[in-house]
Amino acid sequence: EVELLQSGGGLVPPGRSLRLSCVASGFTFDDFAMHWVRQVPGKGLEWVSSANYNADFIAYADSVKGRFTISRDNAKNTLHLQMNNLRSEDTALYYCGKGTGVVLESSVDYWGQGTLVTVSS
Amino acid sequence: DIQLTQSPSSLSASVGDRVTITCRASQDISTSLAWYQQKPGKGPKLLIFSASSLDFGVSSRFSGSGSGTDFALTISSLQPEDIGTYYCQRYKRPPLTFGGGTKVEIK
Repeated sequence: EVELLQSGGGLVPPGRSLRLSCVASGFTFDDFAMHWVRQVPGKGLEWVSSANYNADFIAYADSVKGRFTISRDNAKNTLHLQMNNLRSEDTALYYCGKGTGVVLESSVDYWGQGTLVTVSS
Repeated sequence: DIQLTQSPSSLSASVGDRVTITCRASQDISTSLAWYQQKPGKGPKLLIFSASSLDFGVSSRFSGSGSGTDFALTISSLQPEDIGTYYCQRYKRPPLTFGGGTKVEIK
C-alpha cells in the first residue's frame, strides 16, 4: 500500500526557514516523480514544485522560485522541501504527492496527509 | 503561462442528475490534463488522467473528455458521496497549474 508520511510543518515568523519532509513507502520511490502542492485553508490547490525521478529536472512556481528548494533522497525514500525567507502568503497546508510517471510532467495519484505551515509573527 | 478556467465555480444538483464541469486551457495542452476530487477536510484524490483515463478504483460514474483547450468532467448520476470540490490540473509543461475548482453540492 502506498503511503506518504509528512512532517516538518509549524509556526514560524516571517523571514525564517522551515524544512518539510515526506517519507514514501509501498512503491519504488526512484521510479516516480514527486510533487509539492499547497492549499490555503478554504481556498484552491496551488502547485509548488516538482522533481523528476532522480531530481535532474526540477520546477518551481514563480511564487516560490529562489526561496524554496525541492530535493529527494532516493536511498531513504524521502522528499524534502526547504523553505527559506518565508512570507505570510506562504501560510498553507502543504501536500506531497507521488507522480504517475518518471517525468515531472505527471499527475499526482497519491497524496500525503498534509502538513500545516503558518508564517506569522 | 497557460491558465486553466473552470466553470461553473459551484453547482447544486439532485441525486441522479448528470453533472458536467468544464475546464478551458488558454493554450493547447493536448491531453495532459487531470481531474481531482477533494472532499471536505480531506486531501485530493485523482479521478482522471490524460484527459479521459479513469484512475484505478474510481467509479465508472466519472468520465473525462476533451483535448487541446477544452475539457470536461462528467458525473453520469450524481450520488451523495460525490459532494466536494473538483479541480482540473494541466501537466504538459511547468507550471503544473490547477483550475480554480468547482464546488458540487446536493440540492
